Amino acid sequence: DSGVTQTPKHLITATGQRVTLRCSPRSGDLSVYWYQQSLDQGLQFLIQYYNGEERAKGNILERFSAQQFPDLHSELNLSSLELGDSALYFCASSVVSGMGETQYFGPGTRLLVL
Amino acid sequence: GEDVEQSLFLSVREGDSSVINCTYTDSSSTYLYWYKQEPGAGLQLLTYIFSNMDMKQDQRLTVLLNKKDKHLSLRIADTQTGDSAIYFCAEKAAGNKLTFGGGTRVLVKP
Repeated sequence: DSGVTQTPKHLITATGQRVTLRCSPRSGDLSVYWYQQSLDQGLQFLIQYYNGEERAKGNILERFSAQQFPDLHSELNLSSLELGDSALYFCASSVVSGMGETQYFGPGTRLLVL
Repeated sequence: GEDVEQSLFLSVREGDSSVINCTYTDSSSTYLYWYKQEPGAGLQLLTYIFSNMDMKQDQRLTVLLNKKDKHLSLRIADTQTGDSAIYFCAEKAAGNKLTFGGGTRVLVKP
């Protein structure tokens, strides 16, 4: 158990809909990262937040957005869903130590768009 | 640019050693990681190595880094059936995001 929690575990929805995925980082971790894992694209970085502010952006579609709240939990919003958005969505939180930064991943949310 | 490549599949007999290979292209990578993903589960951090090291050992795991060739390997000694999973290498270069390889599926046969 990494200490990172994600809800829901599974989500089934229809094309055109909007969903919100939630992530709670490990206690004390200020950074949250979102990744998408799909069969054709593999694991791809979407976006990073640090202490409530957007820090880095990856291959995130304009239909997707995220935010990090004062209690450090984060939400990933996916709108106008398409079949190709079906994937596993992971969040990770990170800790910085003398050996650098290490990311710990949550169990993921499996999204199925029908 | 960033590109991380791994072989797709490795079959190994229980008790033997497994070696999973990875190549990366970004010479500015600072840390390189190995993650394990079991079926239906998330990513579990196995180990990592700093780019100025060439070897790191952690119990049954040995990571070798050849920075000149941009080649990373993970050796699992005495491979067990519980080691069957997908193994991802990842590099951290500019910024803090990780760039992952496509994963190597390891199948351990009894």
